[in-house]
Amino acid sequence: SQKIEQNSEALNIQEGKTATLTCNYTNYSPAYLQWYRQDPGRGPVFLLLIRENEKGKRKERLKVTFDTTLKQSLFHITASQPADSATYLCALDIRNTNAGKSTFGDGTTLTVKP
Amino acid sequence: KAGVTQTPRYLIKTRGQQVTLSCSPISGHRSVSWYQQTPGQGLQFLFEYFSETQRNKGNFPGRFSGRQFSNSRSEMNVSTLELGDSALYLCASSLGLGPGANVLTFGAGSRLTVL
Repeated sequence: SQKIEQNSEALNIQEGKTATLTCNYTNYSPAYLQWYRQDPGRGPVFLLLIRENEKGKRKERLKVTFDTTLKQSLFHITASQPADSATYLCALDIRNTNAGKSTFGDGTTLTVKP
Repeated sequence: KAGVTQTPRYLIKTRGQQVTLSCSPISGHRSVSWYQQTPGQGLQFLFEYFSETQRNKGNFPGRFSGRQFSNSRSEMNVSTLELGDSALYLCASSLGLGPGANVLTFGAGSRLTVL
């Protein structure tokens, strides 16, 4: 069956360190993979999208990689800050699907301690 | 530009009742998707509407339904509420024009509590 797993439910790191979040999937052939941030009581907010033919993408302190052989995406936040504390969700979009139906992982809650 | 607006933000119902939630997408977005979020199941896809037509549907019972109006505003309805329907219902809009255009903009959600 299709499955998306994000490395752990919670990740605690010290301010200034790099946070690395993992998204693994099985029985999917995603054409796109997205990362979202969700704060308590709010809807998810889009951060980055990476295509299957892209190895990596960067946006300010955020970096994402996408390895279709390993069926894995890594999401890095460098020089982390307490304001980065939130739940991070990965979402997959399969090839030839109509827009509007993304499949989400359960998320990893990141806590950055000062 | 205005974001995705969901109403109501909070509501409490009792078992057996029905509820209607509303979503106004970003101007120009023709696709509206609905998700249910619970602590145990995460974000689960309900359905997606594009140009007033349901284009995708998740694995939810027929008690969950929706529609989209000509101005792209959408409503979802849950009939015969069960305790397990307590959740945060999220609406998201996108351009909906095919692969690569599926960046979702979410509303703040409607928190439904069923007693």
